Amino acid sequence: DQQVKQNSPSLSVQEGRISILNCDYTNSMFDYFLWYKKYPAEGPTFLISISSIKDKNEDGRFTVFLNKSAKHLSLHIVPSQPGDSAVYFCAASVTNTGNQFYFGTGTSLTVIP
Amino acid sequence: ETGVTQTPRHLVMGMTNKKSLKCEQHLGHNAMYWYKQSAKKPLELMFVYSLEERVENNSVPSRFSPECPNSSHLFLHLHTLQPEDSALYLCASSQVEGPETVYGYTFGSGTRLTVV
Repeated sequence: DQQVKQNSPSLSVQEGRISILNCDYTNSMFDYFLWYKKYPAEGPTFLISISSIKDKNEDGRFTVFLNKSAKHLSLHIVPSQPGDSAVYFCAASVTNTGNQFYFGTGTSLTVIP
Repeated sequence: ETGVTQTPRHLVMGMTNKKSLKCEQHLGHNAMYWYKQSAKKPLELMFVYSLEERVENNSVPSRFSPECPNSSHLFLHLHTLQPEDSALYLCASSQVEGPETVYGYTFGSGTRLTVV
């Protein structure tokens, strides 16, 4: 059973606009969440994280929002740039379980110049 | 070399072959992982070596065999694979410091495996 879900396989956004990538999870024990970005022919790279004690974490153009009651998190990129075009993976973990993460299937973002 | 290095980048093998994937991390991390990425599926954790203990996903077939001779090196030995094993195999490392700390992974670029 898939514990982390990214229901949108792809998203296209105009340059300069906001990109919103969504992630849902089913395990209420998850308390730490990450977003990874992956370019073709490269491994995923860490982008931003959030702990369940927060509902928002911001790093430059990237903001992650966490809604624990809805078991939902989202990644906002504003303004979007063509270099942001990549596949974005959401990942979740339960503290005290050995640093193991569960990943979603990814959302492919295309930012149109 | 820095980060996590995986070799080879691409591998084509027949179903009767035996091959090995190699991963090396230069980050001083104490945990290493093998993940499988198949099309339209989530990254699937195959094996974890953390603090010199091995944890495995029980759904991984025995034709995949990991080896971790030290904290910097990780191998995935492959034998008698099936075409459905064709996928991107990603190695990752992280630091594990205790039950209340969580650190993200640093991934390698992956090995694109094709079984013919």
